[in-house]
Amino acid sequence: GAVVSQHPSRVICKSGTSVKIECRSLDFQATTMFWYRQFPKQSLMLMATSNEGSKATYEQGVEKDKFLINHASLTLSTLTVTSAHPEDSSFYICSASHRDSRETQYFGPGTRLLVL
Amino acid sequence: AQKVTQAQTEISVVEKEDVTLDCVYETRDTTYYLFWYKQPPSGELVFLIRRNSFDEQNEISGRYSWNFQKSTSSFNFTITASQVVDSAVYFCALSEAWAGGTSYGKLTFGQGTILTVHP
Repeated sequence: GAVVSQHPSRVICKSGTSVKIECRSLDFQATTMFWYRQFPKQSLMLMATSNEGSKATYEQGVEKDKFLINHASLTLSTLTVTSAHPEDSSFYICSASHRDSRETQYFGPGTRLLVL
Repeated sequence: AQKVTQAQTEISVVEKEDVTLDCVYETRDTTYYLFWYKQPPSGELVFLIRRNSFDEQNEISGRYSWNFQKSTSSFNFTITASQVVDSAVYFCALSEAWAGGTSYGKLTFGQGTILTVHP
């Protein structure tokens, strides 16, 4: 099946630093990638939709300058949490859909971010 | 606006019992997709099934079966003879199916049902 990877799987950082999370589709080309945030025992909240070669589309309430998304190729999207604060601590999950079959999203393993 | 409701927050069963996870959805779209995902303790979401709104046939895959009823806007998931490895959070989700729509591909998730299967 389709494989999506994320790196790092876990990161601890100091307040005020920036953290970059990578999302890669390993065996298919993904025109569209999505970034989600999940708090403990809660559902996934879509943060933004990332299309290769264009600016990301952010959901209402998500700060564009806080969560920088870059989708430079058909297999890689990055999410940078800038000037991270403890309230940014969360589980961040990306997903990707096939270029030729956008109906189904395949999810990465997620990145646990802890900001001290 | 789309909405997915999973009324069962937590379900606890004993191994070998059958269990049904409920999912009710709301959408104004005439064409849409419904999904079920499994999220084990590791956190990674595992795709289980996708169903097109035009296809109301029930589906069975091993111990898993899905009952899609458009009349009641429900897409329930049944695990037969549950096993400890089935313990996870299960999410039902909905997405618009029209490629020209602005929300195409975006998933709306339910709140999830925590399933615990005891040995």
